[in-house]
Amino acid sequence: ETGVTQTPRHLVMGMTNKKSLKCEQHLGHNAMYWYKQSAKKPLELMFVYSLEERVENNSVPSRFSPECPNSSHLFLHLHTLQPEDSALYLCASSQETGSGANVLTFGAGSRLTVL
Amino acid sequence: GQNIDQPTEMTATEGAIVQINCTYQTSGFNGLFWYQQHAGEAPTFLSYNVLDGLEEKGRFSSFLSRSKGYSYLLLKELQMKDSASYLCAVRDSNYQLIWGAGTKLIIKP
Repeated sequence: ETGVTQTPRHLVMGMTNKKSLKCEQHLGHNAMYWYKQSAKKPLELMFVYSLEERVENNSVPSRFSPECPNSSHLFLHLHTLQPEDSALYLCASSQETGSGANVLTFGAGSRLTVL
Repeated sequence: GQNIDQPTEMTATEGAIVQINCTYQTSGFNGLFWYQQHAGEAPTFLSYNVLDGLEEKGRFSSFLSRSKGYSYLLLKELQMKDSASYLCAVRDSNYQLIWGAGTKLIIKP
């Protein structure tokens, strides 16, 4: 149990579907993140929320829409995805976004396949 | 541009020692992290170096040389459960984490 829970663990969707990924943390952290992990590539930061406010959006296509209703929950809404969006989507949380060790705690990820 | 280099894959024998290298070119430096990720699982934090030198934590040690833009993760007395990917990440001057692509470590009996 990592303290960060992601659901679903696996998702298969067509290009016209609408689905959402959910992330929940019970660590009392103030910052939450979405990362994309593709095989043999570095982690790509997608979105960062600090105290429920989006502080970073790394030029992510609008077909990915994040939502952070409170400091414990983070969603990634998916719409009209492309096959190249197939990847492992990792959620993470940390005490803060700035200096210090600021260790990330990751969830196990949602494996997304777009047909 | 910013870049983190680490070997794609390494193989080692159970009970042996292995060193995973990480070199980086980043805009500034505010710390280097190592994470371990077993297949299908969450990456988990292993170590953090911000000053030059060796940080030891049980069977795992991490070394940093800021002048050389270089770090390594040293794993001793390898066990089968150490088979995983090891991710190196550097925090730059803007406190952004720059990630390497990870090193897949295969442990053979």
